[in-house]
Amino acid sequence: QVQLVQSGAEVKKPGASVKVSCKASGYTFTDYYIHWVRQVPGQGLEWMGRINPNSGGTSSAQKFQGRVTMTGDTSISTAYMDLSRLTSDDTAVYYCARGDSWLDPWGQGTLVTVSS
Amino acid sequence: SYELTQPPSVSVSPGQTASITCSGDKLGDRYTCWYQQKPGQSPVLVIYQDTKRPSGIPERFSGSNSGNTATLTISGTQAMDEADYYCQTWDGSTVVFGGGTKVTVL
Repeated sequence: QVQLVQSGAEVKKPGASVKVSCKASGYTFTDYYIHWVRQVPGQGLEWMGRINPNSGGTSSAQKFQGRVTMTGDTSISTAYMDLSRLTSDDTAVYYCARGDSWLDPWGQGTLVTVSS
Repeated sequence: SYELTQPPSVSVSPGQTASITCSGDKLGDRYTCWYQQKPGQSPVLVIYQDTKRPSGIPERFSGSNSGNTATLTISGTQAMDEADYYCQTWDGSTVVFGGGTKVTVL
């Protein structure tokens, strides 16, 4: 079955960077975009951006431009999201999701906690 | 930037129909999809392309989209349907989510 498995929880200090991985299985990795969505505790879903694993092309929400880097390694069917210059406002669960027009399925989420 | 507006909460009695709205400028001209999220879980797609149900999603979930409003309808609501629901569309190359609606089954 199609599955996305993300890396484990992270604790980071303000100003640091975090890199979250998302390993895909059950389908051809290069056939679909991978999106990144975050959810601050108790709040709604916020789209961060997407990557085309085939071309490596990316697009991101204006809010994160300059701070988010999305990459993919087709040899191991894994996408990565790197977020830099972290602040406490970046404490959230980060999800990857497969999709073109709609997102399905989603990874299990990775909690990133930013604390001094 | 494009915005989607959802009511914060909807209450429904078991067995009744819940309707969750999602409003946006000329939303009917765009495809909308819906996600269900239960506490501590990842979102799950329940409706895509306005009206289509992914395999495994019960028939009691249906969708519509016209004018400025998309609607997710849950017919014969069950206790297991208690969750947050998010609508989603596209604005150019950007994904847009609604703020979410908490459905409570009383």
